[in-house]
Amino acid sequence: KNEVEQSPQNLTAQEGEFITINCSYSVGISALHWLQQHPGGGIVSLFMLSSGKKKHGRLIATINIQEKHSSLHITASHPRDSAVYICAVRSRRGQLTFGSGTQLTVLP
Amino acid sequence: ETGVTQSPTHLIKTRGQQVTLRCSSQSGHNTVSWYQQALGQGPQFIFQYYREEENGRGNFPPRFSGLQFPNYSSELNVNALELDDSALYLCASSSGGREVGGYTFGSGTRLTVV
Repeated sequence: KNEVEQSPQNLTAQEGEFITINCSYSVGISALHWLQQHPGGGIVSLFMLSSGKKKHGRLIATINIQEKHSSLHITASHPRDSAVYICAVRSRRGQLTFGSGTQLTVLP
Repeated sequence: ETGVTQSPTHLIKTRGQQVTLRCSSQSGHNTVSWYQQALGQGPQFIFQYYREEENGRGNFPPRFSGLQFPNYSSELNVNALELDDSALYLCASSSGGREVGGYTFGSGTRLTVV
């Protein structure tokens, strides 16, 4: 079993839909990161969370430390949101462990 | 200069050769970490450098080695290349060593070993 599990692996949505991507982890962490990766490989950091909830534009990230679970939500999805979304947890030693990513496709 | 720059962007090497990949650090950051991402998978942690010292390493053999320079840029060296080393190599800079803040990622180097 991987230390970081994401679901779903693939997600196709219609423009405007509300999207949720889930991340569960099994190790102690100091923070959890949500990342966005576009074709070609570049990664953009979306959120860093250690508790509660953060919002940036149409993106919302939540974390439940007791349940070792985080969610990334996208409201009013748009085709430009199509990308791979990756959850990564940072250990107390400062090492990042990544999930395998969720490929999101938003259709116009 | 802002952002993290990796070079080269693409590289083809022959099995058994050696390769050096380079990564700049974002201004104000003193930590650089390297990751290997195979096709269709999430990145895997290779190692991390803080103020020119390695301070964390993933499950990679010793033929993967690195350096960090006084300006906090970094190199990843891979000796005796194997076909399975073909991957996207990403670096990220951050500040603070073990208690890092956010990460800034480079666009990666796509290495193909033939």
